Amino acid sequence: AQRVTQPEKLLSVFKGAPVELKCNYSYSGSPELFWYVQYSRQRLQLLLRHISRESIKGFTADLNKGETSFHLKKPFAQEEDSAMYYCALKPNSGNTPLVFGKGTRLSVIA
Amino acid sequence: KAGVTQTPRYLIKTRGQQVTLSCSPISGHRSVSWYQQTPGQGLQFLFEYFSETQRNKGNFPGRFSGRQFSNSRSEMNVSTLELGDSALYLCASSKEGGTYEQYFGPGTRLTVT
Repeated sequence: AQRVTQPEKLLSVFKGAPVELKCNYSYSGSPELFWYVQYSRQRLQLLLRHISRESIKGFTADLNKGETSFHLKKPFAQEEDSAMYYCALKPNSGNTPLVFGKGTRLSVIA
Repeated sequence: KAGVTQTPRYLIKTRGQQVTLSCSPISGHRSVSWYQQTPGQGLQFLFEYFSETQRNKGNFPGRFSGRQFSNSRSEMNVSTLELGDSALYLCASSKEGGTYEQYFGPGTRLTVT
């Protein structure tokens, strides 16, 4: 079965410090991986997807198939990055739903 | 384009009662998925409806059910409410379903006392 693990429930960093939100997955095939973000009092929204290899709001994430990881990174954290971050996996088999991790709350301290 | 809307936004029920939540997807979207969000378990998939048919179902008891109407609006129902059903229930819509391009609603906060 597919599984997404986000080992940290809460991550606190100082403003300007690098941040890395960890995500590990379990899936036998080649999945699509995503990061979703939920800012305070806002809707859950897509942050980035691994296939686009883009940087959004300074965040990047690289899919490491050997380590089955998809960590989210940003070199310099900003206060507005404080939010709940969810890693999600889409199995490459038909119309199967997204599988979400339990989320990591990022708190950026001024 | 109007976003996904969910009604009601807040709901308080007592154990044993039942509840119906509603979701209106973005115009043109045919797939509606429901999730339960709690601090301990994060986002858990409930079910997905596409063109009025349930296409996927998560690992929830039969007390949780849903349906989709011809206009793609969807409802979910929880019968015989338990304290553990207290959660934020999120609805997400997408054009064809089975994709990552889901657009989430604001959620319905259900509190069971």
